[in-house]
This record gives sequence, C-alpha cells and structure tokens, in this order.
Amino acid sequence: DQQVKQNSPSLSVQEGRISILNCDYTNSMFDYFLWYKKYPAEGPTFLISISSIKDKNEDGRFTVFLNKSAKHLSLHIVPSQPGDSAVYFCAAMGKYNFNKFYFGSGTKLNVKP
Amino acid sequence: DAGVIQSPRHEVTEMGQEVTLRCKPISGHNSLFWYRQTMMRGLELLIYFNNNVPIDDSGMPEDRFSAKMPNASFSTLKIQPSEPRDSAVYFCASSSALVGYTFGSGTRLTVV
Repeated sequence: DQQVKQNSPSLSVQEGRISILNCDYTNSMFDYFLWYKKYPAEGPTFLISISSIKDKNEDGRFTVFLNKSAKHLSLHIVPSQPGDSAVYFCAAMGKYNFNKFYFGSGTKLNVKP
Repeated sequence: DAGVIQSPRHEVTEMGQEVTLRCKPISGHNSLFWYRQTMMRGLELLIYFNNNVPIDDSGMPEDRFSAKMPNASFSTLKIQPSEPRDSAVYFCASSSALVGYTFGSGTRLTVV
C-alpha cells in the first residue's frame, strides 16, 4: 500500500505558465517532505524540501506548499520552462526514521515551448 | 566527487540467469539504498544499509533478491534466478545527512 501518492501520471503546461504538481500522503508520522526531479537516463536529483513545521518553502521559481490537515503537498513552478520537463517525485520521511524515504510514483511534466 | 556510481548501465539477460548490480556510494556517506523504479509503483525502496549493516529489507520482493555491502565503498544487488517481471530501472543512492539522497544513474535491467 503506497503511503505517498501522486495521482497524476502526467501534466502538460505551456511555457511561461504555472505548473502545479500534487502529492498526497497517508501517514501522519511523516514530517519531512521532498521533491526530486528526474531526467531520462539519469538518477533523481533533489529539488526542494519542506519540514512539517512550515507550510511553504520557496526557492527561486519553485515553491512547495504543505497542508498537514489534508495530508497534501504541492510543487509550483512559476514560470515553467521547457528545461523543467522531467519526472517529478514526491517523497516523505518519518520523524523517527531519518533514512527511509517513501516515494510517490512520479508525475511526468511536459513544458511546451 | 564522482557521485554514486552504478554498473552496468544496461543489462539484458535471459530468464533464469543470475544478475548482479553494483554500486559505489559517495565516499563518507554512511547510508546506502537500493530502489527499483517501475511505471506502476514509481520508486520502491528495496533495502537500505547503515554503516554497512542491512537495516530494513522489507521491500525486497522475494527470496530471489539479495543485497550485500561488504564494505563502505561497495554494494551489490543480486537477482537469482531472474524473471521478466524483474525488468525495471534499479537505482542506488547514498546519504550522510538529513537532507537528500544522492542517486546513481541507475541500471536498466531487461529480462527476456
């Protein structure tokens, strides 16, 4: 049973517009969340993270929002660029298990020029 | 820093054969993880080691899968015998801090 879910396998967005990628989790013990980006034939790379004590974290064009009551987080990319086209994985980690990340199934983002 | 190094990059093997995937973590990282990526389930954690000791292997799908970490700079994931449903991309990652695994480039395994 997947504890981290990304229900949209793909998303297509026009260049310059906002991309919103969503992620839901079921385990209330998760308290640290990350987004990873993956290009074809490469391993995932860390993009941005958020702790459960915050509800927003921003890094340049990337912002992650956390809604603990809904067990939902989202990644916003503004403005989207063609180079953002990749698979994005959401990951969560529990309070007492610092080494174990649970990943979602990924969302493939396509930013059209 | 060369990052996490996995070999081979691609492996094609016949059903029933033994397959060994290799990983060299980043020097100084004390945790190592093996993940499998499939279309249906995304990234699944198979097993992870801390200071060369297996901590959690609950994700290993069957007894056909085994992993070892004989020292801090090397780990293997073995599938014996391999089956077509084992076809996937297998990633190794290492870490030493709260934030961020560093992933290798993966091994694409095809079992025919």
